[in-house]
Amino acid sequence: QVQLVESGGGVVQPGRSLRLSCAASGFIFSSYTMYWVRQAPGKGLEWVADIWYDGTKTKYADSVKGRFTISRDNSKNTLYLEVNSLRGDDTAVYYCARDVVYGDFYHALDVWGQGTTVIVS
Amino acid sequence: DIQLTQSPSSLSASIGDRVTITCRASQTISDYLNWYRQKSGKAPELVIYAAAYVQSGLPSRFSGSGSGTDFTLTITTLQPEDFATYYCQQTNTAPYTFGQGTKLEIK
Repeated sequence: QVQLVESGGGVVQPGRSLRLSCAASGFIFSSYTMYWVRQAPGKGLEWVADIWYDGTKTKYADSVKGRFTISRDNSKNTLYLEVNSLRGDDTAVYYCARDVVYGDFYHALDVWGQGTTVIVS
Repeated sequence: DIQLTQSPSSLSASIGDRVTITCRASQTISDYLNWYRQKSGKAPELVIYAAAYVQSGLPSRFSGSGSGTDFTLTITTLQPEDFATYYCQQTNTAPYTFGQGTKLEIK
């Protein structure tokens, strides 16, 4: 079945780094733009970054620009998020999600992973 | 960035009730508006896309409407699994921002 499984979260000190991974299965990973979305404890959803299906284009939220790097390895069906210079306000559950396009124009996130938790402390 | 404001922030209802949640955009976004349901401790799931289309596999008690800046999500005949937090998201202009969420609680 279509599935996304994140890993790599943990407890890390401020200023340190982590690499989050998202393993995809059950669909043609290389055909989809992929997202990272995070959710701080008790808060709403925040788009973090996204990457085109072929990895040629990336976008970042201002809050993470210059510190986070999104990448993908289509040969391994895996999405990554390198998180550097971590701060307390980066504490969150990090979800990867698949971007689907309906009717050529309408984007939505139709498949989500279960999330991986990053605690900066 | 486009701001999305949901109302109410929280809502109490009973099983079998009909509820409506509103999402207002800070500028016009045509019908590029999605709704997600997030059950406690779980990942979000897509409920409505393009303002009015129910995601495959979701029941017909969900409906969405609106265009421009004002949108609604309506749930008829509430079921236990509908008690969750709902988020709207605009995909008209990057970054694709989310609303702050509406928590639907059982009365």
